[in-house]
Amino acid sequence: DAGVIQSPRHEVTEMGQEVTLRCKPISGHDYLFWYRQTMMRGLELLIYFNNNVPIDDSGMPEDRFSAKMPNASFSTLKIQPSEPRDSAVYFCASRQGTGRNQETQYFGPGTRLLVL
Amino acid sequence: GNSVTQMEGPVTLSEEAFLTINCTYTATGYPSLFWYVQYPGEGLQLLLKATKADDKGSNKGFEATYRKETTSFHLEKGSVQVSDSAVYFCALSAGSGANNLFFGTGTRLTVIP
Repeated sequence: DAGVIQSPRHEVTEMGQEVTLRCKPISGHDYLFWYRQTMMRGLELLIYFNNNVPIDDSGMPEDRFSAKMPNASFSTLKIQPSEPRDSAVYFCASRQGTGRNQETQYFGPGTRLLVL
Repeated sequence: GNSVTQMEGPVTLSEEAFLTINCTYTATGYPSLFWYVQYPGEGLQLLLKATKADDKGSNKGFEATYRKETTSFHLEKGSVQVSDSAVYFCALSAGSGANNLFFGTGTRLTVIP
């Protein structure tokens, strides 16, 4: 099992540029989550999907952020335009279902974003 | 509502010392409880979990017992190693049908030789 795959692992960009982060969840998992981690705010849930449908995007900080899941094996988080305060580590996680034995979320290695 | 409170860090211990990281929770319903670990430069990994009261989760020498009466899920290890240096997160899933996890703020552990 390859686990959750994220790309790129590191991204350095200039303010105003568009940034696209990518995630491939574990095969067979119905849920996909996007998190952001910073020193100041800790781990924040941005948005999550169930069966490719966005369920809760209340954590998305601004309209500059958008996320899509066109199919069960791929999701993107886009920031346009990017700002220095978006610098953080962005994690993708997936989960199989909602039963007691399916609640565990499996995290990818993260994308470390630096906006100059 | 649902929330997790864990002890502030950082925690610094000598190798072979006993570790306790406190975690208490507030939840509606019957939550499942988790400890995740984040090693430097990596994503979060599940360390252990418990899905009902009095269950004990264990892995890699770490243990935590789901205490409903004290709403706690404290993480313990009898003898820490340098390789245990990481950030530890307590989390809860608010019962069957719940979707997201509620995470604590994380506790950084440093083990010195």
